[in-house]
Amino acid sequence: GAVVSQHPSWVICKSGTSVKIECRSLDFQATTMFWYRQFPKQSLMLMATSNEGSKATYEQGVEKDKFLINHASLTLSTLTVTSAHPEDSSFYICSAKQLGPAPYEQYFGPGTRLTVT
Amino acid sequence: SQKIEQNSEALNIQEGKTATLTCNYTNYSPAYLQWYRQDPGRGPVFLLLIRENEKEKRKERLKVTFDTTLKQSLFHITASQPADSATYLCALDMINSGAGSYQLTFGKGTKLSVIP
Repeated sequence: GAVVSQHPSWVICKSGTSVKIECRSLDFQATTMFWYRQFPKQSLMLMATSNEGSKATYEQGVEKDKFLINHASLTLSTLTVTSAHPEDSSFYICSAKQLGPAPYEQYFGPGTRLTVT
Repeated sequence: SQKIEQNSEALNIQEGKTATLTCNYTNYSPAYLQWYRQDPGRGPVFLLLIRENEKEKRKERLKVTFDTTLKQSLFHITASQPADSATYLCALDMINSGAGSYQLTFGKGTKLSVIP
């Protein structure tokens, strides 16, 4: 149980275009989903926290107009990278926590490798 | 802000030996500390969670200790196997009042290589 999926697993796009990444909790309901970014040999850096039905809370330095997050249901969150640039190339990972008293183990998706050319 | 240090970027160990990984943090103690495994090109996989009032937690060949005085957690893998080779991440679980939820802050990880 507790599986989180991400789609796509990798994507290549041209500079200036937008890319949408989906994150789904397959067998549990997640009130809170998180989006992380990881550069090579670096730690996972939290980008934003999203609670179902409300606006995402972005970490300092993360542009909310560039990284649009939608958490429309208890099982789906999307991250849209708008007007992507080569410096946005990274490994994007989502994670989800189950309903219930905090904290719970966080379950991570397999990640999405974004390459902007 | 909280700083997390995993002392070794890489650790090589002979198969069958016990691997010990260290995680140190500064500032205030988290309510929970977690360890994850990450394989190349994959998301982290949860291994163990230890609470601030727990000294030790075990799961099969894994053992985690948590010393809030030293601000340190040790992660042990006994009878290590080549399949244990991966990057191991320490993460602190702290309340984010702005977001209204707990949030994980990760260390950079230690890449463990178990040599046959």
